[in-house]
Amino acid sequence: QKEVEQDPGPLSVPEGAIVSLNCTYSNSAFQYFMWYRQYSRKGPELLMYTYSSGNKEDGRFTAQVDKSSKYISLFIRDSQPSDSATYLCAMEGGSEKLVFGKGTKLTVNP
Amino acid sequence: NAGVMQNPRHLVRRRGQEARLRCSPMKGHSHVYWYRQLPEEGLKFMVYLQKENIIDESGMPKERFSAEFPKEGPSILRIQQVVRGDSAAYFCASSPFAGYEQYFGPGTRLTVT
Repeated sequence: QKEVEQDPGPLSVPEGAIVSLNCTYSNSAFQYFMWYRQYSRKGPELLMYTYSSGNKEDGRFTAQVDKSSKYISLFIRDSQPSDSATYLCAMEGGSEKLVFGKGTKLTVNP
Repeated sequence: NAGVMQNPRHLVRRRGQEARLRCSPMKGHSHVYWYRQLPEEGLKFMVYLQKENIIDESGMPKERFSAEFPKEGPSILRIQQVVRGDSAAYFCASSPFAGYEQYFGPGTRLTVT
């Protein structure tokens, strides 16, 4: 079983839709959870950084962590064509080494 | 405040040559991390450095790969005698402290012909 599992998609939604992206993990030592956005041929851009279970909201983005289920989610409200990118979940357990999912490719159609 | 800078952005090497990838962290950041992204694969940790010290190189291939972060100047990832399987995007990230967010650079895309 891989440490971090992420459905690669692709995921295609109409503009304005609510997008739900998810990752599951197997390592209970993970404490810090991140979502990065990566546009084609660019570097990952940090979107959300969370610690412990619960929700964190930033504008149109909400990150959820459920440590008991080893499940994290990113919700994007009122999705825009500019949100079209690959979304990477990442986690870390105090070692400074980020462990990434493979990424979900999202397309928001105008 | 300039972000993480990497150069070159694109690098083409023939098999057997050496590749040198450079990373300048964000201002005030003394922790540097290198990751590799192979086609159709996720980002994989390679090495974690602080100024003049390698903290964790558990993700580095045992041979041909080395990294440094000198007191002055950028961090360098060096790949000797490159092979086709080294073709990938190499990303550098930096943070001001341990346990803080990591910010990524634009990457260096290495192609081995």
